[in-house]
Order: sequence, then C-alpha cells, then structure tokens
Amino acid sequence: DTEVTQTPKHLVMGMTNKKSLKCEQHMGHRAMYWYKQKAKKPPELMFVYSYEKLSINESVPSRFSPECPNSSLLNLHLHALQPEDSALYLCASSQGSGSQETQYFGPGTRLLVL
Amino acid sequence: AQTVTQSQPEMSVQEAETVTLSCTYDTSESNYYLFWYKQPPSRQMILVIRQEAYKQQNATENRFSVNFQKAAKSFSLKISDSQLGDTAMYFCAFMPPNTGNQFYFGTGTSLTVIP
Repeated sequence: DTEVTQTPKHLVMGMTNKKSLKCEQHMGHRAMYWYKQKAKKPPELMFVYSYEKLSINESVPSRFSPECPNSSLLNLHLHALQPEDSALYLCASSQGSGSQETQYFGPGTRLLVL
Repeated sequence: AQTVTQSQPEMSVQEAETVTLSCTYDTSESNYYLFWYKQPPSRQMILVIRQEAYKQQNATENRFSVNFQKAAKSFSLKISDSQLGDTAMYFCAFMPPNTGNQFYFGTGTSLTVIP
C-alpha cells in the first residue's frame, strides 16, 4: 500500500481565516514533505520532516506553519494567507530522508484564498 | 547548481503509438537518481520510473522505459503502445546525494494521447 491521504480536497478561505491541511500515511515512512504547486508548474518544496523533526524549511513565509504530531501525520497550519497563496498543496512521504528515496505523493488540497 | 530541462512543453501522440519525452540535466555529481513522475489532470502525482546513475542498464516498467545517457546528461522517457490513460503532465526529476532527499524538477511536458 503506497497511499498518502490528504484532507480536505478543496478549501476556500478568506485572508483573515485560520485553517489547517492534514496529511496521513501508514506506510511506516519516516520522512514527510509539503509542496506547493501552481497550475502547469512543477511542485515547489516547502518543508521536510525527518523522524518528526523539521529538517528543511525552504524560506517559507511564517503564515505557513507545519506540524508533525507523530510519524504518520503531518499538518500545515494556515493563517493570514494572501491570494497568491492559492495553489495545490501536495504532501509526500518517503521511507527515509536519505538520498534516492522514492517519494509518494498524496492527491493534494486545492486551496483558494479570497 | 543542479538544473533540469524539459524542452517539450506539450506533446501529442496517437493511441497505440510510441512517444519519447526528453529531459536533460546539469550536475557535477557522479552518483544521483533520476525519476519520471506522471500527474494526470486533477489526479495525484505517481512515480512512473526511476534510474540510479551508477547503473548502466536502462530502467523499464511495462510500457515505460528510459534512455539514460550519463555522459550526455540525458534521461528520456519512452512510452510504448500509448493509452488514453497516459494523458498527463510528466515531470522529470533529479535527486543529488546528500541533500535531504530533495528533488529538482523539470518544468514538465503535457502529453495528450489522441484516440
């Protein structure tokens, strides 16, 4: 089973709202990732968690706040977003965070900021 | 700096025909990994095929195969017997060693299979 699940599938929020995206995997993977993807563009890495610790933060604005409560779950807390933050947010996981680890992607949350 | 180039933004192929998507990359590393991911419209990104740079043999997965030319830094994807379900955006990705498992993605090729 190579399934990564994400909820919600779609989210519409105003610029003053606080919302959270959720990602879950039960493959025993110890690395999890958040990506942002604009239409017809490749995914852009935002955060990497390795063994539940934040290992990479690609200079993402503080209005995005990741959290990894346990090895199966990854959250992305959103606050005071801008319209340009509207995008598809992808979660991925891999067995470890060493080189050559294949990443398995979830279906994404399509976010619209009004 | 690592860069990945996909020079074909859009391609089309007749059903049952063969199509090749190109990908070139630039790196000074000698040991790395290459991937092709497929993202169908409004569906999730899935791994198509991966290649380890130290392996000379080209990877194959059913109708999908790669032509890996290490000296030329080229990693093309061949899809044989194209099917309607192959319609998708295809991303080539490069992963160097010791970077915390980070991908460098190409800009993607949008492939349409025509019935």
